[in-house]
Amino acid sequence: GENVEQHPSTLSVQEGDSAVIKCTYSDSASNYFPWYKQELGKRPQLIIDIRSNVGEKKDQRIAVTLNKTAKHFSLHITETQPEDSAVYFCAAKDSNNDMRFGAGTRLTVKP
Amino acid sequence: DGGITQSPKYLFRKEGQNVTLSCEQNLNHDAMYWYRQDPGQGLRLIYYSQIVNDFQKGDIAEGYSVSREKKESFPLTVTSAQKNPTAFYLCASSTGRTGRRVFGQGTRLTVV
Repeated sequence: GENVEQHPSTLSVQEGDSAVIKCTYSDSASNYFPWYKQELGKRPQLIIDIRSNVGEKKDQRIAVTLNKTAKHFSLHITETQPEDSAVYFCAAKDSNNDMRFGAGTRLTVKP
Repeated sequence: DGGITQSPKYLFRKEGQNVTLSCEQNLNHDAMYWYRQDPGQGLRLIYYSQIVNDFQKGDIAEGYSVSREKKESFPLTVTSAQKNPTAFYLCASSTGRTGRRVFGQGTRLTVV
């Protein structure tokens, strides 16, 4: 089955800087890669997703890139703000339609 | 908000007791899921259901049971066979297994 690894586990940046979180996956047939943001004590919420036929997708300050050859995808947050502080999870949907999640990255944006 | 509701938000269980976590959705989603979240680990799938009266084990089903008698409801029972039940439990739903997951707000279960 699919195995998703996420790095780093914690990330601290200064307000206004960029943040990058990376995930790798093992199943080359995986075709859907969502990113979730989970604030403390709240539900994970989908912030952006990408399908395997696309290399990059952007939504305002958030972008996701996908490298199918290397089997990795990344979340990029530009001009970070304190409200971006949260735990971010990547996931990959494998050939069995199972969604596998990374272990999460705790992002702290310092004002 | 969200259309998928979990209750209670906090739950305390004595050792040896069974407890049931509720999950209700009004999104008309066919598929529903239960995940367990532990610190430093990703979401791990306990059970999922694609249609009413059918469900499948996930990666960590031992010590848990579910039912899907109605499309809207997918309760999870944590049995006394689950030796380490203290965790944050998340329910999710999607239009199908290929659809985007929508999560509930979670239930934090603590064994006392």
